[in-house]
Amino acid sequence: QKEVEQDPGPLSVPEGAIVSLNCTYSNSAFQYFMWYRQYSRKGPELLMYTYSSGNKEDGRFTAQVDKSSKYISLFIRDSQPSDSATYLCAMSGTNSKLTFGKGITLSVRP
Amino acid sequence: GAGVSQTPSNKVTEKGKYVELRCDPISGHTALYWYRQSLGQGPEFLIYFQGTGAADDSGLPNDRFFAVRPEGSVSTLKIQRTERGDSAVYLCASSLNGGTGELFFGEGSRLTVL
Repeated sequence: QKEVEQDPGPLSVPEGAIVSLNCTYSNSAFQYFMWYRQYSRKGPELLMYTYSSGNKEDGRFTAQVDKSSKYISLFIRDSQPSDSATYLCAMSGTNSKLTFGKGITLSVRP
Repeated sequence: GAGVSQTPSNKVTEKGKYVELRCDPISGHTALYWYRQSLGQGPEFLIYFQGTGAADDSGLPNDRFFAVRPEGSVSTLKIQRTERGDSAVYLCASSLNGGTGELFFGEGSRLTVL
């Protein structure tokens, strides 16, 4: 079993839909949880960064962390075609080494 | 430069050849990371530098892979006797101080071993 499991894709939604992306993990030492967005042939860019359990909101994006269930989510409200990309969850303990999920490709249809 | 710069953006080589991939981090960032991303997968950690020294090289797959950062800025990832399984995108990232700070990624060097 991999340390980080991410829901398989691809995912296709109509413009304006609410998107829910999820990851589970097995390593209890993970304390920092991130979502990266990666456009085709580009490097990942940080979208959301959370520490420990709880919710964090930034514009149309909300990140949720439930450490008791070892489960993290990213919600995208009012999805736009420009949100079409691959979304990667990532997490780390107290060191700098990020462990990534496999990524899920999202397509938002106009 | 404004972001992390990686060269070459694409490299095609033959099995058995030697390859060098270069990373120029964001100015002032003391921490530098190399990751490898295979097709359809998330990035996998290779090595982390804090300054000139390799603080964690536990992700290097074998002794064909080596990385240096002699002056604490530019880093070079070196792959000897390349194999077809080395084909991937090699991503470099930097952060201000290491630890749990935000990582800024370059666009990657796409390596194809024929």
